[in-house]
Amino acid sequence: QVQLVQSGAEVKKPGASVKVSCQASGYIFTSHDINWVRQTPGQGLEWMGWMNPKSGNTGYAQKFKGRVTMTRQTSTNTAFMELSGLRSEDTAVYYCVKEAASISCSGGRCSGGWFDPWGQGSLVTVLS
Amino acid sequence: QSVLTQPPSVSGAPGQRVAISCTGSSSNFGAGYAVHWYQQIPGTAPKLVLYDNTHRPSGVPARFSGSKSGTSASLVITGLQAEDEADYYCQSYDTRLSGSRVFGGGTKLTVL
Repeated sequence: QVQLVQSGAEVKKPGASVKVSCQASGYIFTSHDINWVRQTPGQGLEWMGWMNPKSGNTGYAQKFKGRVTMTRQTSTNTAFMELSGLRSEDTAVYYCVKEAASISCSGGRCSGGWFDPWGQGSLVTVLS
Repeated sequence: QSVLTQPPSVSGAPGQRVAISCTGSSSNFGAGYAVHWYQQIPGTAPKLVLYDNTHRPSGVPARFSGSKSGTSASLVITGLQAEDEADYYCQSYDTRLSGSRVFGGGTKLTVL
């Protein structure tokens, strides 16, 4: 079955960087974008950006530009998300998600863009 | 503040029907982009329950349905069950920020 398995929990100091991995299985890794979404404690979901595993092209949410880097290693079907300049507000669970269908539009109506499945999440704690 | 607006909480008794709204704008729903819905049970990863406004993934019960009209969308659960108690999030695409996927703030569903 299609599955995304993420790396384990991390504890980091303010100012440090963290790199989270996400290994895909059960489908052709290069055929679907990987997105990253985070959830701060007790809060909602926040989209961070996308990466095309085939080309390596990326797009980041404005909030994270300059601090986030999304990469991949196609030989192991693994995506990575690195966040630098960590601060206490970055304490969150980070999820990788597969974009199941690309967005396509025709006649003023668009379909696609949903996330399925989700990785199990990786807790990153920023603690001085 | 989220680009998509959801009520913080809704509730219903077992067997009842509940609806969760998701309000967008001309740069997302009004531009024709679809809405997708996720269920999150505390302590677990979100799970897709509806995609492309009305479609249920395999394994999601038929009591989950959805609609979208103009700049608003809804997730409806009929025949509410205790296991439906969870947080629900809507998601779409927004044209104001290129490539930006957006989420609603989430709605806590309580089964009384």
